[in-house]
Amino acid sequence: DAGVTQSPTHLIKTRGQQVTLRCSPISGHKSVSWYQQVLGQGPQFIFQYYEKEERGRGNFPDRFSARQFPNYSSELNVNALLLGDSALYLCASSLTAGAYSGELFFGEGSRLTVL
Amino acid sequence: DQQVKQNSPSLSVQEGRISILNCDYTNSMFDYFLWYKKYPAEGPTFLISISSIKDKNEDGRFTVFLNKSAKHLSLHIVPSQPGDSAVYFCAASVTGNQFYFGTGTSLTVIP
Repeated sequence: DAGVTQSPTHLIKTRGQQVTLRCSPISGHKSVSWYQQVLGQGPQFIFQYYEKEERGRGNFPDRFSARQFPNYSSELNVNALLLGDSALYLCASSLTAGAYSGELFFGEGSRLTVL
Repeated sequence: DQQVKQNSPSLSVQEGRISILNCDYTNSMFDYFLWYKKYPAEGPTFLISISSIKDKNEDGRFTVFLNKSAKHLSLHIVPSQPGDSAVYFCAASVTGNQFYFGTGTSLTVIP
């Protein structure tokens, strides 16, 4: 069975550009979460989607947006990139959302470098 | 504000001995805790979880202890193996939605 898949794995952008990251959850999982991991830090929550609805949003500016599609895949968009957006972006899926929904299954991440 | 803290950036242990990784949290509303292991160039891999109604959960060589009064949890690995060398993250949440991660502890198991 395929795990969580993310694309692209690596990308380089310049300041001010826009980026779209994609995620396919494990088959049967209906919840997708996005995390940002800056070098030397733990993952930081950005968004959670469940059944195509936003269920949670972390402390990130409005330049960050996401959506979930009917097939439960998801996209994370970041506009007007800043140098500080350089990070590993992790997508995680889980069966459901809410009370003790079980562990998060992470993809390998998309490494974004902003020059 | 760092609601989950792992104050030891690194830990070295001899093969066969016990590894103890610690995690502290500040939010008393947290009621679900996870431990993850991460190898370089890979996403975090789930290890073990515990809910606040328990104070211990065991899975093979891995045991997690939760001390709610001290807002502290720990992961014990016995016996430690070289393949356990990785970065370990603890994570906490309220009812399993948004997870707050610590900064990680890099474990090295020396053969």
